[in-house]
Amino acid sequence: QKEVEQNSGPLSVPEGAIASLNCTYSDRGSQSFFWYRQYSGKSPELIMSIYSNGDKEDGRFTAQLNKASQYVSLLIRDSQPSDSATYLCAVGGTGGYNKLIFGAGTRLAVHP
Amino acid sequence: ETGVTQTPRHLVMGMTNKKSLKCEQHLGHNAMYWYKQSAKKPLELMFVYSLEERVENNSVPSRFSPECPNSSHLFLHLHTLQPEDSALYLCASSQDRARQGNIQYFGAGTRLSVL
Repeated sequence: QKEVEQNSGPLSVPEGAIASLNCTYSDRGSQSFFWYRQYSGKSPELIMSIYSNGDKEDGRFTAQLNKASQYVSLLIRDSQPSDSATYLCAVGGTGGYNKLIFGAGTRLAVHP
Repeated sequence: ETGVTQTPRHLVMGMTNKKSLKCEQHLGHNAMYWYKQSAKKPLELMFVYSLEERVENNSVPSRFSPECPNSSHLFLHLHTLQPEDSALYLCASSQDRARQGNIQYFGAGTRLSVL
């Protein structure tokens, strides 16, 4: 069983729409959750972190966390073509040091 | 610019060559990581150094040899690689053992091609 699962996509949305990206994880003890954006051929770039149940908003981005359901999501409002990228969900592992478990990523395509 | 610098950006090497990848972080962090990213696969954690001590070696073949001389520098020494080792190698750093420390900042990566 994969530790962090994401739908590989591509998720195609029209410009101006809301893009919804989902992620599930298997380790109930995880306490930290992250969304990274990765453009083709580039390195991952952190866009959101969330540690508590509920919603966290930052500009057009909203992260949602439900630890009971082991589910984390990312909403992108007013999607722009520049948002087209692969979005990686990362979950903090339990243990004695900082470790992130990454999903394989969801490719988002925003078309004009 | 994330404060994590990797060199070289691109590397082509034969299977008998020896080369090294370099990573330097300017963020004052105390943990550094090597990841391998192959096409359509999740990032694979290879090595973790915390306070210059290796704390994880994720079943990586011995043809990959890490070195962390201090908390700002990390190397990955490569020798007798195989074509399947061709991938994007990413370095990251974080402030370890802190609640907000899980945030890892990535360098731009080294695109490695093994011929």
